[in-house]
Amino acid sequence: KQEVTQIPAALSVPEGENLVLNCSFTDSAIYNLQWFRQDPGKGLTSLLLIQSSQREQTSGRLNASLDKSSGRSTLYIAASQPGDSATYLCAVKPNYGQNFVFGPGTRLSVLP
Amino acid sequence: NAGVTQTPKFQVLKTGQSMTLQCAQDMNHNSMYWYRQDPGMGLRLIYYSASEGTTDKGEVPNGYNVSRLNKREFSLRLESAAPSQTSVYFCASTWNYLTDTQYFGPGTRLTVL
Repeated sequence: KQEVTQIPAALSVPEGENLVLNCSFTDSAIYNLQWFRQDPGKGLTSLLLIQSSQREQTSGRLNASLDKSSGRSTLYIAASQPGDSATYLCAVKPNYGQNFVFGPGTRLSVLP
Repeated sequence: NAGVTQTPKFQVLKTGQSMTLQCAQDMNHNSMYWYRQDPGMGLRLIYYSASEGTTDKGEVPNGYNVSRLNKREFSLRLESAAPSQTSVYFCASTWNYLTDTQYFGPGTRLTVL
């Protein structure tokens, strides 16, 4: 059974720092991996989607990488801003079924 | 486009009561999903509909039923609510579940007393 973990569970950084969020999954047989952002009391917003054949995706200050063989993905946020404060979740799409498997998330606080 | 909409936003039920959560999307997506989100548990899939006319169980289907009314609408019904169903419920949709991202609704916060 696919399991997804995210470390750390929470992170506080001063504004302007570059930071890395980690996502690990137990089964490398995946179609894709997605990173989402969730603001308090809101739904999830998609940030980046990496197909299994890709190694990384970039959008603005965000860069996500995927290493299927080691079961890891990282989300790099450059020059963090207070507006980046939110919970970040990763999710994998296994090669079977329709289920997406979500990690528990990392709660990020960027301090002014 | 409104994207994915959910009603109601909040609901309080007593144990044993029934209710239906509504979800609609205006993006002509084929697949729709219902998740629940609980502290420390992440999002867990309740039911999904790969295409209009089909529904299948996810990870935690017990106590729930669904209806894919048409391509736009996917409802979730609690027949006899229990305190263990207190949660935040999210609906999501996607065009192609293999290659495309999921778009989420704003959620319904449900409390069962």
